[in-house]
Amino acid sequence: DQQVKQNSPSLSVQEGRISILNCDYTNSMFDYFLWYKKYPAEGPTFLISISSIKDKNEDGRFTVFLNKSAKHLSLHIVPSQPGDSAVYFCAASSIDAGNNRKLIWGLGTSLAVNP
Amino acid sequence: NAGVTQTPKFRILKIGQSMTLQCAQDMNHNYMYWYRQDPGMGLKLIYYSVGAGITDKGEVPNGYNVSRSTTEDFPLRLELAAPSQTSVYFCASSYSDYFGRGDSPLHFGNGTRLTVT
Repeated sequence: DQQVKQNSPSLSVQEGRISILNCDYTNSMFDYFLWYKKYPAEGPTFLISISSIKDKNEDGRFTVFLNKSAKHLSLHIVPSQPGDSAVYFCAASSIDAGNNRKLIWGLGTSLAVNP
Repeated sequence: NAGVTQTPKFRILKIGQSMTLQCAQDMNHNYMYWYRQDPGMGLKLIYYSVGAGITDKGEVPNGYNVSRSTTEDFPLRLELAAPSQTSVYFCASSYSDYFGRGDSPLHFGNGTRLTVT
């Protein structure tokens, strides 16, 4: 049962345009959502996060939007650059029954930004 | 500042062999984690540690063992390797378990690609 879903395995955009990566979740107990970026042969690196009490968080070219009623979040990259070509993972966090913080990962979306 | 260092980068094992994947971090992080990523799949937590001497199972611990004798090192041991353990293994660390908030994000190593044949 995939609690965090990234339904688009891949996305291709032109340099300078907006990239929109989507993520859906099923567990209403998630209280934080994060995006990680991964280049080939490297580990994921943290990009941006959002608390469930907010609906938007912005960091430079990256903005994450959260729609709790739809259990949906999206990552916007504006403008997209060729160096943004990578796999983007959506992850969601909650506290489990043992008071441990868990992180559930989506399958990733591969973004290609074409010059 | 090297961050999280994993060795080896690649390894091929025969069924039934054993090996240890090494992980070291130089950020003085208390929390360390082992993940595996199968092709086309998300990251699955194998084991984690909240400090030296303390380890606990994650989602997929079967077939693995860990130890944490120092803050810096968190080796992952595979006993009796099986083809189902073919995967890319990532070690990660964080300052606290507020990684879920983004305040203390996970720092990942570059992974070990393991093939069991």
